[in-house]
Amino acid sequence: AQSVTQPDIHITVSEGASLELRCNYSYGATPYLFWYVQSPGQGLQLLLKYFSGDTLVQGIKGFEAEFKRSQSSFNLRKPSVHWSDAAEYFCAVEGRGGSYIPTFGRGTSLIVHP
Amino acid sequence: EAGVAQSPRYKIIEKRQSVAFWCNPISGHATLYWYQQILGQGPKLLIQFQNNGVVDDSQLPKDRFSAERLKGVDSTLKIQPAKLEDSAVYLCASSPVGLAGLNEQFFGPGTRLTVL
Repeated sequence: AQSVTQPDIHITVSEGASLELRCNYSYGATPYLFWYVQSPGQGLQLLLKYFSGDTLVQGIKGFEAEFKRSQSSFNLRKPSVHWSDAAEYFCAVEGRGGSYIPTFGRGTSLIVHP
Repeated sequence: EAGVAQSPRYKIIEKRQSVAFWCNPISGHATLYWYQQILGQGPKLLIQFQNNGVVDDSQLPKDRFSAERLKGVDSTLKIQPAKLEDSAVYLCASSPVGLAGLNEQFFGPGTRLTVL
């Protein structure tokens, strides 16, 4: 069965600092990989996704993520964080076996200090 | 285009009562998902529809939860009877025609359920 681990429950950064949120997955092959953001009281919004090809993917709002097969990781990065980036971030995977059932990590809460 | 609509936004009930949530996906989206998000956790898929057929409901507690998607458009999720542990946000999402893994999911704002 596929699973997703986001080891950091909370991350605190200063505005303008760089950010990296960790995501590790467990799956028999390379799954489809996603990062979503959830602001308070809002639904989830897709930041970026990886299906194949270039392992460094660009997303919205200046985010990027790098797929590393050897580490089963898909970490999210941003070079300079803005106060409006404070939110909950979820990593998700979908298997390629045909059913495409999505599995989400428990999320990482990003706190941005001015 | 209009997003995924859900109602109600908030619901408070007592245990053993029944409750229903409604979702209207983005027009033309064939795939519809219902998730349960307990506080401090990621969304957990309850059921996935492709048009009006069920793709997966392996994590749906079928003794108390039911869902339908009549005519392949809007959907209703029901809990009967509710338990305290059902307190959560229920999210609905939809994605365009085709294999779900190749398409972005668009989420509604969710319904926050509190069971007392």
